[in-house]
Amino acid sequence: AQKVTQAQTEISVVEKEDVTLDCVYETRDTTYYLFWYKQPPSGELVFLIRRNSFDEQNEISGRYSWNFQKSTSSFNFTITASQVVDSAVYFCALSEAGDSNYQLIWGAGTKLIIKP
Amino acid sequence: NAGVTQTPKFRILKIGQSMTLQCTQDMNHNYMYWYRQDPGMGLKLIYYSVGAGITDKGEVPNGYNVSRSTTEDFPLRLELAAPSQTSVYFCASRRDLVGSGNTIYFGEGSWLTVV
Repeated sequence: AQKVTQAQTEISVVEKEDVTLDCVYETRDTTYYLFWYKQPPSGELVFLIRRNSFDEQNEISGRYSWNFQKSTSSFNFTITASQVVDSAVYFCALSEAGDSNYQLIWGAGTKLIIKP
Repeated sequence: NAGVTQTPKFRILKIGQSMTLQCTQDMNHNYMYWYRQDPGMGLKLIYYSVGAGITDKGEVPNGYNVSRSTTEDFPLRLELAAPSQTSVYFCASRRDLVGSGNTIYFGEGSWLTVV
């Protein structure tokens, strides 16, 4: 059965600290896609990254980096030198090729609080 | 860049009333979705559409209906509103199921309160 687990319900750090948000997924498919979305206090959902199952290369975008490890079924998200504007709820999601409509399976989200 | 546009952004309904949440996208995306997000929770799929004229139920379809008469529009109708439908509703779309086009883009959300 497919599943996305974000075990960290809430994380609170002081500004400028590094923080890692964990995402563990379960799937039987060999082809799938993983996503991270950010939901700031204003409520909209902002796409951050998509990774397909054949591309394990880690990605860095400014202060954001993602570590995809198929061996541990994890797709963790790290924010370096966190800023108050990073405060948001972050969702990890999975989309399987075996699902004919590639519906997204969502984690419960991790609320990140960056204190000044 | 309009992307996915939802209206209204906020609405208060009385129990038993009906209303339609409008969603339109200007990206010529085939796939469209309606999600609801309850406070402190993740998203749950209500209905989805793989193209004009085709709709299907998601995880929590009861109390809702949809239609997809055009590629651009995917309205969500609430019939006989109930307090349990108090939630934030997100419309979303994607171009493809695979490759670079399979990213799902979301509207800004519609906050609905049923009293």
